[in-house]
Amino acid sequence: QSALTQEASVSGTVGQKVTLSCTGNSKNIGSYAVGWYQQISHGAPKIVMFGNSLPSGIPDRFSGSKSGTTASLTISGLQPEDEADYYCSTWDNSLTAWVFGGGTKLTVL
Amino acid sequence: EVQLVESGGGLVQPGGSLRLSCAASGFIFSTYWVTWVRQAPGKGLEWVANINPDGGVKQYMDSVKGRFTISRDNAKNSLFLQMNSLRAEDTAVYYCARHDLVYNYYYMDVWGKGTTVTVSS
Repeated sequence: QSALTQEASVSGTVGQKVTLSCTGNSKNIGSYAVGWYQQISHGAPKIVMFGNSLPSGIPDRFSGSKSGTTASLTISGLQPEDEADYYCSTWDNSLTAWVFGGGTKLTVL
Repeated sequence: EVQLVESGGGLVQPGGSLRLSCAASGFIFSTYWVTWVRQAPGKGLEWVANINPDGGVKQYMDSVKGRFTISRDNAKNSLFLQMNSLRAEDTAVYYCARHDLVYNYYYMDVWGKGTTVTVSS
């Protein structure tokens, strides 16, 4: 069982806005920023969000936020190439370990 | 180009050993924390171990403590993972990744393509 909880699957149509969530506790998300990683067809993961900051080369339809112990990744204007698995991750200072969510499979209908 | 390239994966019997390598290029390797993350077939990402820039601090997930050893050779821009007493549940694609400090927090900002480890008799 993952330390961070994500929806197993989310779907949306092209152009729609979708939000993926990641829930933890005070020892992880409540204390540290969250990274979001995109993995397409089990290829190498790629970071798409540093907390609420966009890495270079990532489209600005991606945005990140956090409230308390829940982080969110929002994709506004969903595109077919956004179909992927998305993982959240952060440091947990109780486990003394990096933790990942179980991943959300995003399907673009 | 900033790049990480893993190697050393393969098929090994339960109880056996394997040494993974990760070659870094395009950045000053000796100034970054680096990490190993694995992904079992059909499963999600799982952090395995990380090491600080000078190699003096090493952290491990509980299930690999005492069996896996992370190390680095900054002169050769390389990261290693020595895996002993391998179990079937260690079967996974193993990725190396770089930690970068962005606005006071660390993230895994560069990833390799992974190397596959299969533990089976």
